[in-house]
Amino acid sequence: EVQLVESGGDLVQPGGSLRLSCAASGFTFSNYWMHWVRQGPGKGLEWVSRIITDGSDTRYADSVKGRFTISRDNAKATVYLQMNSLRAEDTAVYYCVRERRSFGDWWGQGTLVTVSP
Amino acid sequence: DIVMTQTPLFSPVTLGQPASISCRSSRSLVHSDGNTYLTWLQQRPGQPPRLLIDKISNRFSGVPDRFSGSGAGTDFTLKISRVEAEDVGVYYCMQATRFPYTFGQGTQLEIK
Repeated sequence: EVQLVESGGDLVQPGGSLRLSCAASGFTFSNYWMHWVRQGPGKGLEWVSRIITDGSDTRYADSVKGRFTISRDNAKATVYLQMNSLRAEDTAVYYCVRERRSFGDWWGQGTLVTVSP
Repeated sequence: DIVMTQTPLFSPVTLGQPASISCRSSRSLVHSDGNTYLTWLQQRPGQPPRLLIDKISNRFSGVPDRFSGSGAGTDFTLKISRVEAEDVGVYYCMQATRFPYTFGQGTQLEIK
């Protein structure tokens, strides 16, 4: 069974850092691009970042560029999101999402990041 | 960035009746490879989003055939032929043709 399990969400102060992890199982992780998508409280979906299969190319939303870094470890079937210089507007549920032939054919349950003093 | 605009934002529908959601993009979503990466997602209350349709009209595995997608270029539509109670939730269109990927604002579907 395909699973994407996010972890690492927490309450953090503005300016702080956090690393999210997404552990994948039930499929060949190294064949998939991986994304992070976030959803602020009561808000819509916002794409955050993408990493290709071998990790050699990454893309970011302008809102997080220079502050967030996506990476992956194919041996551990895990994708990460290092988040630095966090702001109140980064408060959201962060979803891990896979893409191969279709974007979003599997989503994790999400992990909550709250940025507050 | 490509802006995705959905209408309506709120759609009250009677059980068994059809529903339709429109999505317009600020630029053509035709990719250089010839595909149009327009996707529809459903988010039921308290759940993560779920893929319904990609590349305008390809229904994902397990999605009931009462859901259909159509359109081209910059104008797209999601139709539900006969709304059922389990269809309640928020529907998003999104484009994966150009980075950054962008989503519509979401359309809240509820039962009258």
